[in-house]
Amino acid sequence: GAVVSQHPSRVICKSGTSVKIECRSLDFQATTMFWYRQFPKQSLMLMATSNEGSKATYEQGVEKDKFLINHASLTLSTLTVTSAHPEDSSFYICSAMAGKPNIQYFGAGTRLSVL
Amino acid sequence: ELKVEQNPLFLSMQEGKNYTIYCNYSTTSDRLYWYRQDPGKSLESLFVLLSNGAVKQEGRLMASLDTKARLSTLHITAAVHDLSATYFCAVDSPTGNQFYFGTGTSLTVIP
Repeated sequence: GAVVSQHPSRVICKSGTSVKIECRSLDFQATTMFWYRQFPKQSLMLMATSNEGSKATYEQGVEKDKFLINHASLTLSTLTVTSAHPEDSSFYICSAMAGKPNIQYFGAGTRLSVL
Repeated sequence: ELKVEQNPLFLSMQEGKNYTIYCNYSTTSDRLYWYRQDPGKSLESLFVLLSNGAVKQEGRLMASLDTKARLSTLHITAAVHDLSATYFCAVDSPTGNQFYFGTGTSLTVIP
């Protein structure tokens, strides 16, 4: 099946620094990628939808200046958490959608801890 | 806004028993997905249900979809410990480019 690589898997950073997370579709072209956030024991919350070559569409309540998304190519989307704070600590998961019937393939997730 | 609700939220069951997890959603959608998540891991796709009446089975898990009732079920047969995980259903938005996840069902199978 299709493979989505997400990197890094775990990151610990100091408050105020920025963190970049990469999401790559390894063996298919993904016109749409999604970024989710998951708090412990909760469901996934969609943060934004990213289409190649255009600006990301953010869900209500998600700060676009804080969570910068770049979808530079059909195989790569990045999420940058700018000026991270402890409340940004969470599990971030990306997914890439391939063709019909709109199956999403998920990355392994990135656990971010902000000290 | 499309809402997806799962029932139950937590489930503890003995090995060998059967049980059904329910997924209700609030608007028209012809596609429903089931995922499994192990602690600290990302999502693993289990089933993709694409039409009314669709039924898929893999091992001890069977999923079905009733689009008229806006209901999907995930049936567990003769549960084993390895099935312990959190199970999520997800539904396409009517436009087809957004997913809405259910609340999740945390399953613990007790030996």
